[in-house]
Amino acid sequence: GDSVTQMEGPVTLSEEAFLTINCTYTATGYPSLFWYVQYPGEGLQLLLKATKADDKGSNKGFEATYRKETTSFHLEKGSVQVSDSAVYFCALISTGAGSYQLTFGKGTKLSVIP
Amino acid sequence: AAGVIQSPRHLIKEKRETATLKCYPIPRHDTVYWYQQGPGQDPQFLISFYEKMQSDKGSIPDRFSAQQFSDYHSELNMSSLELGDSALYFCASSLGRTPYEQYFGPGTRLTVT
Repeated sequence: GDSVTQMEGPVTLSEEAFLTINCTYTATGYPSLFWYVQYPGEGLQLLLKATKADDKGSNKGFEATYRKETTSFHLEKGSVQVSDSAVYFCALISTGAGSYQLTFGKGTKLSVIP
Repeated sequence: AAGVIQSPRHLIKEKRETATLKCYPIPRHDTVYWYQQGPGQDPQFLISFYEKMQSDKGSIPDRFSAQQFSDYHSELNMSSLELGDSALYFCASSLGRTPYEQYFGPGTRLTVT
């Protein structure tokens, strides 16, 4: 079945540090890939997405590139801020399987300290 | 912009009781998804509806049922509640069966005592 593996947290960084959260996947068909962010006490927000190989999703300074050869979708940001503290979920949908349910990774908690 | 509305936001029930969670999708969205997120866990897909018909089924217990109504809102009915049902329940909506934009509501936190 489909699965998403992302680096375990928690991750603690100083403000303006570089962020990488690794994400790899296993899927049937041709998945679409997503990063969702969950701020404390809130719901999930779509951060960025990529629907085919070599696509780069970007939003709010975050980027991730769909790498089919390495089945990866790593999240990066050049300079994190305290307001980026949240839990980040990598997720996929295997559109080729005719199902539209999101399969999530376990989440990575990021804490950014001033 | 209008977002997904879920009610209630918090719910406390005792074991063996029933609960009903409601979800109001973004206007004109016709697809609704339900997810369950246990404490410290990733969200798990339960069930989805498209145009009032069940379109996909995940790890939803037999004690749970759901439906989508003519105005596209959805209700998740949970019976014989167990302590393990304590979780955050998210509803998401999308336009058509396009998977690329699932918008999530704030969730309903269910506590079973």
